[in-house]
Amino acid sequence: DTGVSQNPRHKITKRGQNVTFRCDPISEHNRLYWYRQTLGQGPEFLTYFQNEAQLEKSRLLSDRFSAERPKGSFSTLEIQRTEQGDSAMYLCASTPRGWGTDTQYFGPGTRLTVL
Amino acid sequence: GENVEQHPSTLSVQEGDSAVIKCTYSDSASNYFPWYKQELGKGPQLIIDIRSNVGEKKDQRIAVTLNKTAKHFSLHITETQPEDSAVYFCAASLFTGTASKLTFGTGTRLQVTL
Repeated sequence: DTGVSQNPRHKITKRGQNVTFRCDPISEHNRLYWYRQTLGQGPEFLTYFQNEAQLEKSRLLSDRFSAERPKGSFSTLEIQRTEQGDSAMYLCASTPRGWGTDTQYFGPGTRLTVL
Repeated sequence: GENVEQHPSTLSVQEGDSAVIKCTYSDSASNYFPWYKQELGKGPQLIIDIRSNVGEKKDQRIAVTLNKTAKHFSLHITETQPEDSAVYFCAASLFTGTASKLTFGTGTRLQVTL
């Protein structure tokens, strides 16, 4: 069990550029969550997947945001036409398969800075 | 939707003292309440959680209590150590058996001084 990994750890981009982040969940975890955390705040839910199906999206996830989990393993989060307000830590978490298991294990996050 | 309030925002204690962090939630249907510890530059790490069918849970120096009637839950850390210094977040969710969308509090920065 190597834990949830996220890449890159840091990303600096200019306003208007597109960025993509990757999350690799713990092996065999079938549920995967994305959260966003701004400075001084707790994480806020963005979206989650069960296997490859995206089952819920927050209102925070504007049309510029898209998330995928094509094979039910790793996931990507893409932000198009970045804005300064997108600057935040993007966190990924995964949960083991099975009924009644809901403990979410978080990765180290990707810190995005939009200049 | 769910709303979670957390107090205090900062807490300074001397090594060996106890620390208590309190949270309230708004949705009476919420049934899962985890606590996370976040160190600088790292993702949140689960330290303890409690479900709505339990009033108290303890794990070594850490305990959590839940009052469903009042809709509040608390984290208790005894015999604090410098390595307990971090930001602590409470969260609440309605676990449906397949997914648990966590709503977090705003965090408490705990500083343990020597």
